Amino acid sequence: AQKVTQAQTEISVVEKEDVTLDCVYETRDTTYYLFWYKQPPSGELVFLIRRNSFDEQNEISGRYSWNFQKSTSSFNFTITASQVVDSAVYFCALTVLSGSARQLTFGSGTQLTVLP
Amino acid sequence: EADIYQTPRYLVIGTGKKITLECSQTMGHDKMYWYQQDPGMELHLIHYSYGVNSTEKGDLSSESTVSRIRTEHFPLTLESARPSHTSQYLCASSATGVLQPQHFGDGTRLSIL
Repeated sequence: AQKVTQAQTEISVVEKEDVTLDCVYETRDTTYYLFWYKQPPSGELVFLIRRNSFDEQNEISGRYSWNFQKSTSSFNFTITASQVVDSAVYFCALTVLSGSARQLTFGSGTQLTVLP
Repeated sequence: EADIYQTPRYLVIGTGKKITLECSQTMGHDKMYWYQQDPGMELHLIHYSYGVNSTEKGDLSSESTVSRIRTEHFPLTLESARPSHTSQYLCASSATGVLQPQHFGDGTRLSIL
């Protein structure tokens, strides 16, 4: 069975601070995909990134960066120079392609509040 | 612990059949969502609802329809299934308010032959 743990339930930072959202996953599958989604106040999920299990290269997109480490089963997300508009709930998710009963697993989400 | 339930978990059915995917939540959430996910790909929002008698189409065009007659129930219907509808469908709900996280069902894996 798969599991995704986002240990940080709520985080508050002041604007311009850097913030890292942690994600730890568990799976026995060797082929899997990891995702980060943003849920802004409007409610709908916004896709941020997808990584497959064979690509450990870290990625940077503007103020966002992701650190994927298979050795620690972590896929952490960092926002640099945070802004008020970054306030949202962020979800980490894992999907596998095997015949597992549950193919898609979400973490419980981290609520990020960026204060002006 | 699951407070949002989807049935069936798996469905293999022939082309042309009418299908209804069930989604129920016991949390009293006003907002509910349906997402579609192809293997290994990201979720795409296909329908959402902000409350009873409210339904809206999402970002991804879908031939499915939804209804929201009761707060706790948000079924998705395909009138005539086709192989292109083969996918995983995920239901979610959230409370009204700022930064209320979504709660996800286990999903329905649909295969149209």
